[in-house]
Amino acid sequence: GQQLNQSPQSMFIQEGEDVSMNCTSSSIFNTWLWYKQDPGEGPVLLIALYKAGELTSNGRLTAQFGITRKDSFLNISASIPSDVGIYFCAGRSNSGYALNFGKGTSLLVTP
Amino acid sequence: DTAVSQTPKYLVTQMGNDKSIKCEQNLGHDTMYWYKQDSKKFLKIMFSYNNKELIINETVPNRFSPKSPDKAHLNLHINSLELGDSAVYFCASSPRGRATQYFGPGTRLTVL
Repeated sequence: GQQLNQSPQSMFIQEGEDVSMNCTSSSIFNTWLWYKQDPGEGPVLLIALYKAGELTSNGRLTAQFGITRKDSFLNISASIPSDVGIYFCAGRSNSGYALNFGKGTSLLVTP
Repeated sequence: DTAVSQTPKYLVTQMGNDKSIKCEQNLGHDTMYWYKQDSKKFLKIMFSYNNKELIINETVPNRFSPKSPDKAHLNLHINSLELGDSAVYFCASSPRGRATQYFGPGTRLTVL
């Protein structure tokens, strides 16, 4: 599988700020997923996207499936300290079971 | 609780030993996976089983052998452990035909 390009690699922000991160692929995906990993834990699914152009929210989180089907975006509004963690994008094509993961975006939020 | 569980949480062992990590899911999913997360946090697929049948077998040393006694369990056995095997290993599962994968809490393996 390919490794997706995820940016930024890390973010250090103040509580209350909005956050944006994105993920790009060299190939077309039919599913985009966003996960959050807390220290010492497994990744937890945040949002799943299944259609090009789809915009889906989960509380303060909003993710979009890019029109080209080669990218996805995650926004976090009004960040709070518990948003700290590593955010991973993952994509899958129709041709297999494997998820391709990004390298992660490490988010730090100061009170 | 419905979840993916793994045992042990931590595993410290000497080079050359053989060890196993167990995974169980009670979500009723058909497909299970093993991932390796290195020190840079990159998640790499190792194996996947669909209803006890091996469907993904990435380039992994043959010292690693998955075993699925039934569709709710996928265990990982590692022979002749090496220093480079130190990592966090995650088990995951997904419903039939769906991309959404649900991860276990991870097993941190340290080879001394």
